[in-house]
Amino acid sequence: SAVISQKPSRDICQRGTSLTIQCQVDSQVTMMFWYRQQPGQSLTLIATANQGSEATYESGFVIDKFPISRPNLTFSTLTVSNMSPEDSSIYLCSVASRGREQYFGPGTRLTVT
Amino acid sequence: AQSVTQPDIHITVSEGASLELRCNYSYGATPYLFWYVQSPGQGLQLLLKYFSGDTLVQGIKGFEAEFKRSQSSFNLRKPSVHWSDAAEYFCAVALTPSGNTGKLIFGQGTTLQVKP
Repeated sequence: SAVISQKPSRDICQRGTSLTIQCQVDSQVTMMFWYRQQPGQSLTLIATANQGSEATYESGFVIDKFPISRPNLTFSTLTVSNMSPEDSSIYLCSVASRGREQYFGPGTRLTVT
Repeated sequence: AQSVTQPDIHITVSEGASLELRCNYSYGATPYLFWYVQSPGQGLQLLLKYFSGDTLVQGIKGFEAEFKRSQSSFNLRKPSVHWSDAAEYFCAVALTPSGNTGKLIFGQGTTLQVKP
């Protein structure tokens, strides 16, 4: 399976600021995804990061709030914009290669004060 | 709408005892099915998957799961639980199995506590 890293691993941010989370994979992958895990909850898909084009967002998530980039087949970023305490969550990226199963990064734990 | 249900929010078992975690799904076709485990402060680790074929699938760490189409279930089992198995377990369904997994729908998770 691919080795996935995320930066930062955790951060504490102030209300109204933005944070960019990076996801790096050690090999080229076809698909990259971003999920949110709110405290004590399950995972919810935010968007599919498309290489060279705009991300595909799920219902309830918008580009202005969660802009995503994917410049190549091994790297993606998720920005959480104009943060509020409700954005406090774990943000995880995942990847899927030809084998069809998704593998997850270690997550970024975000606290907004 | 497609959904995944894990009826047991919290389960406690004694070390060495057997374990079964339940998962039911609602989906029009045969989905791709997964079990993931999340240890405290960690990301998700894939335990096992079902795409097609043999309905009893083996995974890592001694886990297995059985797909039962008639019951729309994919229950996870382990014959003898170790203290290190204490974690959060998530069942997931992939909705667009077109060569690569698309959107994953997750159940609410089951927290496993292991008593010494």
